[in-house]
Amino acid sequence: AQSVSQHNHHVILSEAASLELGCNYSYGGTVNLFWYVQYPGQHLQLLLKYFSGDPLVKGIKGFEAEFIKSKFSFNLRKPSVQWSDTAEYFCAVITGNQFYFGTGTSLTVIP
Amino acid sequence: DAMVIQNPRYQVTQFGKPVTLSCSQTLNHNVMYWYQQKSSQAPKLLFHYYDKDFNNEADTPDNFQSRRPNTSFCFLDIRSPGLGDAAMYLCATSRGPSNEQYFGPGTRLTVT
Repeated sequence: AQSVSQHNHHVILSEAASLELGCNYSYGGTVNLFWYVQYPGQHLQLLLKYFSGDPLVKGIKGFEAEFIKSKFSFNLRKPSVQWSDTAEYFCAVITGNQFYFGTGTSLTVIP
Repeated sequence: DAMVIQNPRYQVTQFGKPVTLSCSQTLNHNVMYWYQQKSSQAPKLLFHYYDKDFNNEADTPDNFQSRRPNTSFCFLDIRSPGLGDAAMYLCATSRGPSNEQYFGPGTRLTVT
């Protein structure tokens, strides 16, 4: 079945630690890729997106993601997390005009 | 600021009593979406409108319906809410079906 997989369901990090959240998808055609963040009690916000071009994309708040086509991956990274990064993170894929969310990763950053 | 607005933010309804949730947008986007999100889960797409064309997801219950009277507004009608329909309902818009979606703050529905 076609899917968007986020391997880490819950991640706990200390402040200043580096972050990498995995996202893999199983669609073979052209894809547009996104990472969204949902802070506690707030609405979903777009962190970054990839449509084409440089596979390393930079988003807001110091986040970046790398599209590796051969691995069907779009992992999210941040070199040094802050307490305020505590949130739910969703990877999303558009293919064939269909939008698919990943299952989400809950990140807790300990001060 | 251009945005996606949802009203009300919190809605309490009784079991079986119809309820309507509202979404409006100032982005002039062509596509509007309704999602259901339960605690600690990813949003689940219920349906979307591409302009006036309505697209229902295959597993969306018949209990859920939607109306889009104009570009700016979209409504979610739940004809007979059950306890299992208690959730956060998210509205989103996008310029086109391949573009990023912009989400509203959601309406939290409680069914008593």
